[in-house]
Order: sequence, then C-alpha cells, then structure tokens
Amino acid sequence: KAGVTQTPRYLIKTRGQQVTLSCSPISGHRSVSWYQQTPGQGLQFLFEYFSETQRNKGNFPGRFSGRQFSNSRSEMNVSTLELGDSALYLCASRPTPTHGSYEQYFGPGTRLTVT
Amino acid sequence: AQSVAQPEDQVNVAEGNPLTVKCTYSVSGNPYLFWYVQYPNRGLQFLLKYITGDNLVKGSYGFEAEFNKSQTSFHLKKPSALVSDSALYFCAVRDSMNRDDKIIFGKGTRLHILP
Repeated sequence: KAGVTQTPRYLIKTRGQQVTLSCSPISGHRSVSWYQQTPGQGLQFLFEYFSETQRNKGNFPGRFSGRQFSNSRSEMNVSTLELGDSALYLCASRPTPTHGSYEQYFGPGTRLTVT
Repeated sequence: AQSVAQPEDQVNVAEGNPLTVKCTYSVSGNPYLFWYVQYPNRGLQFLLKYITGDNLVKGSYGFEAEFNKSQTSFHLKKPSALVSDSALYFCAVRDSMNRDDKIIFGKGTRLHILP
C-alpha cells in the first residue's frame, strides 16, 4: 500500500502571500489530520477532517483553513503568510477517527519557509 | 483535559547500553498511548501503542514500552541501543472520555546514541 503523500515537499513564500498544501492519505483511510511542527513548539494540531467535514480544530488563527474532498484527499491553506508560519507541515491519516485505538500514519511533510 | 509530557529534551546513551525515553500523561478516562519516531527530514513513524491488556507492549525495531497506571507513565525502552536509533521520539495520548477524539503529542525527546 502506498503511504501518505504530501506535495510539495518544499516551498518558499514571501510574507503576505498565501499557500496551499496537499495531502493524499493511505488508500481506504478517511480521516486526515494536519500538524504544524516547529523546533520551539513541537507538534501542534491544526485540524482533522473526516468524510469532508472538519471534526476537530486546534488553536490557530482563521488564516489557517482546510478542506477534504470526496476521495479523502485534503488541502490546507494559509493566507497572509507571516514569518512565524515557517514550519514543517505534516499530514496524517487513519482509517476512521471513531475508534481511538487507531494509530496515525504520517506523510513526509511540507517544509514551508516564509521570507 | 488530556495532556502528555516528555520531561527530557535530550537523552544521550552509549551504543549497546539500555535506553529509556520518558513519557507521562494526564487523562480523565482510560488512555490510548502511542510512541512515534522521526528521522531527519521525514514524517513520524508509528512504533507501538497501548490500548488495553498487557502493560508491556512490544513494537518495531526492538522497542518496547511499559504502561504504568499508578504513575501515569508510558516509558519507551530498548535493551541495547544502536547508533541508528538516534532520532526524535514523540509520545502521544488520546483520552477515551474525550469525544472529539483528539490526539495530543508531547514536545519530543531527541535521542543521541553515542558510538
């Protein structure tokens, strides 16, 4: 089975721009979560989607948004980029969120640099 | 609210010696506990999980973890460390009482295995 894929792997943007990151989950997985990883803050939860609906949301400003398509692929968007948005953005999938025992499978991440 | 703590930012161990990476948690209900490992420029890889049953859980690459309910801990262990075990390790917890199914990650512990 193919793993979780994320595109692009690397991205450089300027302050004020917007960016869209893409995630394709493992085949058959319907839950997709997004995380922001920075050296100082560790792994912070952004949001989770299941069946095209946002189930959970972390404590991030409204500039961070996401969506999920009918094939379970997900995108996240960050508008009006700030320097502090520079981070590794990780996507993770699991079969369903309704059984908490399921582990998540992570993609390689998208490294976003804002200049 | 659920939380997880990894009290050590970094752990240094000589190759061949046993290693322990510490994790403590706080939940209202029963915990679902996970360990992940992250190698440079990669996403997180699932190592092992505790859901119920035997307190000693065995996982990938020779790692194991011991669930201790009275101490609310889930320490990761390996009898004999390899240089290739050097990586960033994350503990994660989900609270069975938490209906939003959120998984919380610790800040990570960097493990250095010295040759």
